Amino acid sequence: GDSVTQMEGPVTLSEEAFLTINCTYTATGYPSLFWYVQYPGEGLQLLLKATKADDKGSNKGFEATYRKETTSFHLEKGSVQVSDSAVYFCALTPGMAGTALIFGKGTTLSVSS
Amino acid sequence: DTAVSQTPKYLVTQMGNDKSIKCEQNLGHDTMYWYKQDSKKFLKIMFSYNNKELIINETVPNRFSPKSPDKAHLNLHINSLELGDSAVYFCASSSQPVYGYTFGSGTRLTVV
Repeated sequence: GDSVTQMEGPVTLSEEAFLTINCTYTATGYPSLFWYVQYPGEGLQLLLKATKADDKGSNKGFEATYRKETTSFHLEKGSVQVSDSAVYFCALTPGMAGTALIFGKGTTLSVSS
Repeated sequence: DTAVSQTPKYLVTQMGNDKSIKCEQNLGHDTMYWYKQDSKKFLKIMFSYNNKELIINETVPNRFSPKSPDKAHLNLHINSLELGDSAVYFCASSSQPVYGYTFGSGTRLTVV
């Protein structure tokens, strides 16, 4: 079945460092891809999305490009802040009736000043 | 106005009890979901309803029963609670899956 694989965490960075969180997927159809963020004690918030190959999603300085040839959707940010400390989830939806959002295991990011 | 609201936020109960978690969305979405997040943060779909009709029913113990009185509400009832049911339960809704889901803030269930 469809699945999402994320790099294992935790990722520990200093403020203003460059961030990459790797995400690859397996899907039989043409999924839509998402990054969600979960701040401590809160629910999940949609960070960005891409619905087709070569689409780039972006929000709050974060970017990810839907790469069909490498089945990847890596999350990047040029300069992280302490406030970016959270758990990041890569996810896909097959988009077919009777299916639901499938999540990766999450990557914990910790940014220190 | 909270888009997807869950109550209660915290629930501590003894083994063997029956409890319910309520979820309401004011986004006009047709589809609602329940997810379980375990202690390692892994999120797994449990149920989904589309306009009051059950469309996803994953391998979940029969002790868990969802109910959707209308398309804006999806409740989760759990019978005979066990220690292993301790987790955070998230409700979510969507109009079309390609646009993503909107999640509630979660209900942290602790069974003692």
